[in-house]
Amino acid sequence: GENVEQHPSTLSVQEGDSAVIKCTYSDSASNYFPWYKQELGKGPQLIIDIRSNVGEKKDQRIAVTLNKTAKHFSLHITETQPEDSAVYFCAASPNDYKLSFGAGTTVTVRA
Amino acid sequence: NAGVTQTPKFRILKIGQSMTLQCTQDMNHNYMYWYRQDPGMGLKLIYYSVGAGITDKGEVPNGYNVSRSTTEDFPLRLELAAPSQTSVYFCASNSGTGISNQPQHFGDGTRLSIL
Repeated sequence: GENVEQHPSTLSVQEGDSAVIKCTYSDSASNYFPWYKQELGKGPQLIIDIRSNVGEKKDQRIAVTLNKTAKHFSLHITETQPEDSAVYFCAASPNDYKLSFGAGTTVTVRA
Repeated sequence: NAGVTQTPKFRILKIGQSMTLQCTQDMNHNYMYWYRQDPGMGLKLIYYSVGAGITDKGEVPNGYNVSRSTTEDFPLRLELAAPSQTSVYFCASNSGTGISNQPQHFGDGTRLSIL
């Protein structure tokens, strides 16, 4: 099955700086890569996703890049704000009905 | 619109006890999922269902059972609770037109401790 690795496990940034989280996947059949944000006591919520026919996607301060050859994808958050503090999960889907998740990155934005 | 609702939010069980974690969704979604989340381990799929009457195992099904008698409800059953089942459990759903077309919606989780 699909194996997704995520780094780093924790990330502390100064408010206003950028944050980058990287993931790799193993199954070349994977073609959909969502990112989820989980706040304390809540379930994960989708914040951005990318499909295999696209190399980059941006939504305001959040962007995701995908390198299918190298089997890795990354989340970039610019101009970080305190409300960006949360746990972020990457995921990959090889079959469009199941997701394999990374282990998560705890992001802390220091004021 | 409630989305995905899980009950209870917290529960403490003794080893060997049984319980059912409830999950209901009001979005008329065909696909429903149960995950467990352990510290530093991400979310692992326990069971999933593609429609009423149809269920299948995920990555970590041992010690759990599910049923899907209606579109709305997807309960998760623990028959003989073990300390290894201490975790946070999340239920999720999506429409069934494909995760890439309509993403999974998650409930807020059930935190379960087995002592």
